Amino acid sequence: AQSVSQHNHHVILSEAASLELGCNYSYGGTVNLFWYVQYPGQHLQLLLKYFSGDPLVKGIKGFEAEFIKSKFSFNLRKPSVQWSDTAEYFCAVMMYNQGGKLIFGQGTELSVKP
Amino acid sequence: GAGVSQSPSNKVTEKGKDVELRCDPISGHTALYWYRQRLGQGLEFLIYFQGNSAPDKSGLPSDRFSAERTGESVSTLTIQRTQQEDSAVYLCASSLAASNEQFFGPGTRLTVL
Repeated sequence: AQSVSQHNHHVILSEAASLELGCNYSYGGTVNLFWYVQYPGQHLQLLLKYFSGDPLVKGIKGFEAEFIKSKFSFNLRKPSVQWSDTAEYFCAVMMYNQGGKLIFGQGTELSVKP
Repeated sequence: GAGVSQSPSNKVTEKGKDVELRCDPISGHTALYWYRQRLGQGLEFLIYFQGNSAPDKSGLPSDRFSAERTGESVSTLTIQRTQQEDSAVYLCASSLAASNEQFFGPGTRLTVL
C-alpha cells in the first residue's frame, strides 16, 4: 500500500534556527504533493503544494519545499523559524487519477523556543 | 460562511450507541472527503464523494461505518454500534473538484466511553 513517511516526530528549535522536515512517499506514479499545518487550536490549513513545473515551491510564511522525484521526497524548509511557527506539520500525497484522496504522513510536531 | 463546517464539535457517547457526524462543505465544491485522525497519528482517508456518489469508500474501516451526501451539499458520516477504537477526530474536507486543493473543517472529536 502507498505510504508517506515523515522522519521526525517532534522537533525542537530555537528562534532563528533553520528548519528542514523530511517527507518520503512510496508510489512510483504521478503525484501531487502537499504540506499542511495545524496551529494550536486551529484546523488544518495548506502551507504549500506541488502539482507540476518547478520542483522548488514556495508557500506562505516563508516556507518552501523541494520535490526530488528520484528520491520520492518532498522536504519542507524554512531558513529562520519564529515562535509562531510552533505547530504540527503534515506531509500529504495525492496519487494521480485516484479521486483526489490524500495519504498523510504521521505528522511532525515543531516547537520553537523564544 | 466561507469555510467547511462540521457538527458537533465534540461528541461523547457510550459504547454500542450510534452517532451521526455532519459536514457542510464550501458552496460549489463538488468533491468531499472524510478523514479520521487518531491520537498521535496522521490522517486516514475514509471516503470520497463526487457530487452525491461515492466512487471510493476504500478507507471505511468496517460495515459499521457509512456515509451519504445530499447533492453537492451536506454529508453525514454514521457510525453504528460505536466501539472505543472509534474514538478519534473526524475531519471533513472539500475541494472544487477531485485533485484540487482540499479545505478542511475543524473536525468532530468523538469519544467513545
